[in-house]
Amino acid sequence: NAGVTQTPKFRVLKTGQSMTLLCAQDMNHEYMYWYRQDPGMGLRLIHYSVGEGTTAKGEVPDGYNVSRLKKQNFLLGLESAAPSQTSVYFCASSQTETKNIQYFGAGTRLSVL
Amino acid sequence: LAKTTQPISMDSYEGQEVNITCSHNNIATNDYITWYQQFPSQGPRFIIQGYKTKVTNEVASLFIPADRKSSTLSLPRVSLSDTAVYYCLVGVFNTGFQKLVFGTGTRLLVSP
Repeated sequence: NAGVTQTPKFRVLKTGQSMTLLCAQDMNHEYMYWYRQDPGMGLRLIHYSVGEGTTAKGEVPDGYNVSRLKKQNFLLGLESAAPSQTSVYFCASSQTETKNIQYFGAGTRLSVL
Repeated sequence: LAKTTQPISMDSYEGQEVNITCSHNNIATNDYITWYQQFPSQGPRFIIQGYKTKVTNEVASLFIPADRKSSTLSLPRVSLSDTAVYYCLVGVFNTGFQKLVFGTGTRLLVSP
């Protein structure tokens, strides 16, 4: 079972470059989330989606955009990367009925130089 | 979302029972208590969830007193592979809720 798959696993960007992180889940979950995790800190919610075609801001949304065109995919975009966005990014999904039980991907390690 | 407080780190030895306590004094009536485990370079993994009293699964037990202002995750007979960060979450995530906070967790180190 694939679960939640994130691509790429690693990426290095220069300041000002753009990129898109892809998250795919094969569990038919309604809810999907993007988090970032910085050294020594817990996860912080960037954006989330409660269903296809809908997105909402989380705790730290600035500098990021998201799209949920298909139920199984949730994309996180950085239009103009900044060094402050160097982090590990995790995608997660959950069923509507058990929102607190989230399934996470393996993460994307992003460095912005 | 109810604020949670848990120890920053704990040390144990293989074969011992480990109890990690989380305080959540402002827990609301509809809040569930959920614990996650995170290994280095991996995403968090759901361990256990409960509302009141005791819940047990193949991995851990969760003890919740009657007032629900705290909870204790119990890991029986830990092994080296249980070395990880453990997060306590309290709350119900709904469409209007924007701050699902994992906190910094408890770093458990299991030694031989």
